Amino acid sequence: EDKVVQSPLSLVVHEGDTVTLNCSYEVTNFRSLLWYKQEKKAPTFLFMLTSSGIEKKSGRLSSILDKKELSSILNITATQTGDSAIYLCAVGIQGAQKLVFGQGTRLTINP
Amino acid sequence: DTEVTQTPKHLVMGMTNKKSLKCEQHMGHRAMYWYKQKAKKPPELMFVYSYEKLSINESVPSRFSPECPNSSLLNLHLHALQPEDSALYLCASSQFLTPSSGRITDTQYFGPGTRLTVL
Repeated sequence: EDKVVQSPLSLVVHEGDTVTLNCSYEVTNFRSLLWYKQEKKAPTFLFMLTSSGIEKKSGRLSSILDKKELSSILNITATQTGDSAIYLCAVGIQGAQKLVFGQGTRLTINP
Repeated sequence: DTEVTQTPKHLVMGMTNKKSLKCEQHMGHRAMYWYKQKAKKPPELMFVYSYEKLSINESVPSRFSPECPNSSLLNLHLHALQPEDSALYLCASSQFLTPSSGRITDTQYFGPGTRLTVL
């Protein structure tokens, strides 16, 4: 069975800290790994990583895919209270028009 | 424009009611999805439509009935729901390209969701 596991499940830090969120996967036929940020309602897309694009960066957020270790990290530097959210990792499978989601990491940034 | 819209934002219904959730996108995406999300859980896939045809039904009870009238619209018809069906219902869309295209189109764009309460 395809499986995506995120850690930690919950993280509380102070504004200005740097955080690293982890995602590991065991899937039959990996195609892509995606990161989403979910605040009140809809998950919003952050990054998609594939074999041809294993590192992405946008502002204070960056993500790396390690295909050997079957994992990915999401880094957020100089955190702000607006970064407080649930961060979801999802994996796309070859031959399937769907994503397998991890449980999410709830990140809280305290001022 | 990566906007997916959903109506209504909130819905309260009794167990004998019939209601519908609506989803719309104008990004030219040919794959559309319904998800159910309970509190503190990730989205759980319910249905996938590809080119207006139902391609995946994740063993969803028949009291949920999806419909894709055209490439921009996706409906979810609800009938005789149970209180445990109360959840956030999310719609999403993505491009759909054949494997021979060589492109990866896994990015799904989500709507804001409908918060459903079944009494």
